[in-house]
Amino acid sequence: RKEVEQDPGPFNVPEGATVAFNCTYSNSASQSFFWYRQDCRKEPKLLMSVYSSGNEDGRFTAQLNRASQYISLLIRDSKLSDSATYLCVVNRDYGGSQGNLIFGKGTKLSVKP
Amino acid sequence: DTAVSQTPKYLVTQMGNDKSIKCEQNLGHDTMYWYKQDSKKFLKIMFSYNNKELIINETVPNRFSPKSPDKAHLNLHINSLELGDSAVYFCASSHGSGRWGDTQYFGPGTRLTVL
Repeated sequence: RKEVEQDPGPFNVPEGATVAFNCTYSNSASQSFFWYRQDCRKEPKLLMSVYSSGNEDGRFTAQLNRASQYISLLIRDSKLSDSATYLCVVNRDYGGSQGNLIFGKGTKLSVKP
Repeated sequence: DTAVSQTPKYLVTQMGNDKSIKCEQNLGHDTMYWYKQDSKKFLKIMFSYNNKELIINETVPNRFSPKSPDKAHLNLHINSLELGDSAVYFCASSHGSGRWGDTQYFGPGTRLTVL
């Protein structure tokens, strides 16, 4: 099983639609969870962290279910500018002070007029 | 000011050559990383350095040798380039050691094409 798995999409939606992305992770010891966004031919950028109680940032809502090892991202009232690849990201702890981020393959979103 | 910069942006070279990619961050971060994003868009960690010391080496062939002259710079030297090395290489940095998944700030990427 891959460490982080996402539906690759693409998701093609009209402007104003609500779209949900799902992600599962395999390492139950992971403590930190994120969604990054990557525009075409650009670098990934942090969209939002994901907290246990769920969190919202404007039109974006992230949820975490530790028992199911499942993370979600909901985008409401989607805009053309939301078109990008959304990367589910989980930390891997190597012990001591070491660790790094494990990136999912990403889900591509295209928002159409 | 660019927070994380990489040079060159594009690199086209023949198989068997040796090439280097440079990365600099002006964020005062302690940890820097190299990632490879292949044609299937999968972003995978290669190395991370914390205060100039190698802390992660993710089973990368030893043709790849990172060098960190100071904590603001992490360069990547690749010997004997192979076709399979063609990818986009991203440098990134974070404030902490990466253990708790500190936010990582990425450079614009270096698109390497090996012919």
